[in-house]
Amino acid sequence: AQSVSQHNHHVILSEAASLELGCNYSYGGTVNLFWYVQYPGQHLQLLLKYFSGDPLVKGIKGFEAEFIKSKFSFNLRKPSVQWSDTAEYFCAATPFMDTGRRALTFGSGTRLQVQP
Amino acid sequence: DGGITQSPKYLFRKEGQNVTLSCEQNLNHDAMYWYRQDPGQGLRLIYYSQIVNDFQKGDIAEGYSVSREKKESFPLTVTSAQKNPTAFYLCASSAYGQGYSNQPQHFGDGTRLSIL
Repeated sequence: AQSVSQHNHHVILSEAASLELGCNYSYGGTVNLFWYVQYPGQHLQLLLKYFSGDPLVKGIKGFEAEFIKSKFSFNLRKPSVQWSDTAEYFCAATPFMDTGRRALTFGSGTRLQVQP
Repeated sequence: DGGITQSPKYLFRKEGQNVTLSCEQNLNHDAMYWYRQDPGQGLRLIYYSQIVNDFQKGDIAEGYSVSREKKESFPLTVTSAQKNPTAFYLCASSAYGQGYSNQPQHFGDGTRLSIL
């Protein structure tokens, strides 16, 4: 069965620090990969997605992620975090297919706390 | 603006009572999904529907039921058989079909269900 693992459950950083959140997936076929963010009191929003092409994907708000197929990883990065980045971050995956179940499989989430 | 509307925002259930959570979308998406979010566990799939009048069980369907009589609506009923219903429930939708396999899901603001 497909699974997504996020190993950092709670990360605390100071403003301007660099961020890297780990995400690993287990699925043998082609996958679509996503990072979603949930700001306090708000709905889940898409940060970025990868489905093919350049393995370095740039998203909104200065976030980027790198797909490394050999490591089954899709880590999220930001060079310099801001207090407004405080949120919960979810990695998710779904098989690349036109039919059948395409619901997302989510990781358990990483709570990021940025201190001013 | 197109989006997903979930109601109510907060819901309380008495023992032995069924409650229904509403989800409406005006994005013209074929696929809709219900997820349950528990602290430290990420989001888990309850039910999904890829087309009107059809739906499938997800990973944790026991104690829940759904219907999909209209494209824009996908209500979730939490039955008395669900012994641990306290959670945050998220509805999502996405485009579905050939050529849409990499489309992200859009999420509503969620409904928080608690037991009285």
